[in-house]
Amino acid sequence: DAKTTQPNSMESNEEEPVHLPCNHSTISGTDYIHWYRQLPSQGPEYVIHGLTSNVNNRMASLAIAEDRKSSTLILHRATLRDAAVYYCILRGYSNSGYALNFGKGTSLLVTP
Amino acid sequence: DTGVSQDPRHKITKRGQNVTFRCDPISEHNRLYWYRQTLGQGPEFLTYFQNEAQLEKSRLLSDRFSAERPKGSFSTLEIQRTEQGDSAMYLCASQDRDTGELFFGEGSRLTVL
Repeated sequence: DAKTTQPNSMESNEEEPVHLPCNHSTISGTDYIHWYRQLPSQGPEYVIHGLTSNVNNRMASLAIAEDRKSSTLILHRATLRDAAVYYCILRGYSNSGYALNFGKGTSLLVTP
Repeated sequence: DTGVSQDPRHKITKRGQNVTFRCDPISEHNRLYWYRQTLGQGPEFLTYFQNEAQLEKSRLLSDRFSAERPKGSFSTLEIQRTEQGDSAMYLCASQDRDTGELFFGEGSRLTVL
C-alpha cells in the first residue's frame, strides 16, 4: 500500500487558518486521498476526499498538488472543536477491500 | 439515530475471560469493518465483511479472535482467553458503497486486568 507522511503535531490559534500537509510520493493513479479526523474519545469521522482536483466542502478544503505527490487539508478558521488527530489516507483497492489504512496522523492543538 | 452503534461502550474483564462486542452498521451499507486502536496509534484494520461473507482478516487477528456477521446486518467480534495485550478500543465502521466513506461507531473500550 502507498504510504503517507504527516507531521506528528501542529498548533494553531483559534480563528486562524490551518494547513495540514501530507506527503504521498508513491501514490498510484487510482488512489483517492482521504482525510479523516478523530476527536478525543470518539471514532474517526470523514472530513474530505479527492482524486486530482481541489475539493471544498462545509468542513474543509483539500488542495492536491499537480503531481499528486502531496496534499494539504485546509481548515479555514480553526475552532477549539477542531482539535483532533487528522489522518491522511490513500484509498485504493487492496486485499482488504476498500479498507482505509490509518497511520499515526497529525495531532492538531488549537489554542484560544 | 441512524449511525453505527457499538455495544458495550466499555468492558473490563479479567485475563482469560471471553468477551463479545456487537456492531450495528448503517442499514444500507453492505461492507462492515473492524479496527483496533491502542493509545497513541491510529486505528489498525482487523477484518471486513461484505454482506455476511468475511473477505479478509489481518494477521493481527489471532486465532483467539473471531468475527461474524450472520445475516449481513449486525456483526460480533469475540475474543477468547483475553490477554492484557488485547486492551484497546475496538472500532466498527460501515462503508458507503458509492463514496467509500467509512462511518465509525464510538467504539468499545476493552480493559483486561
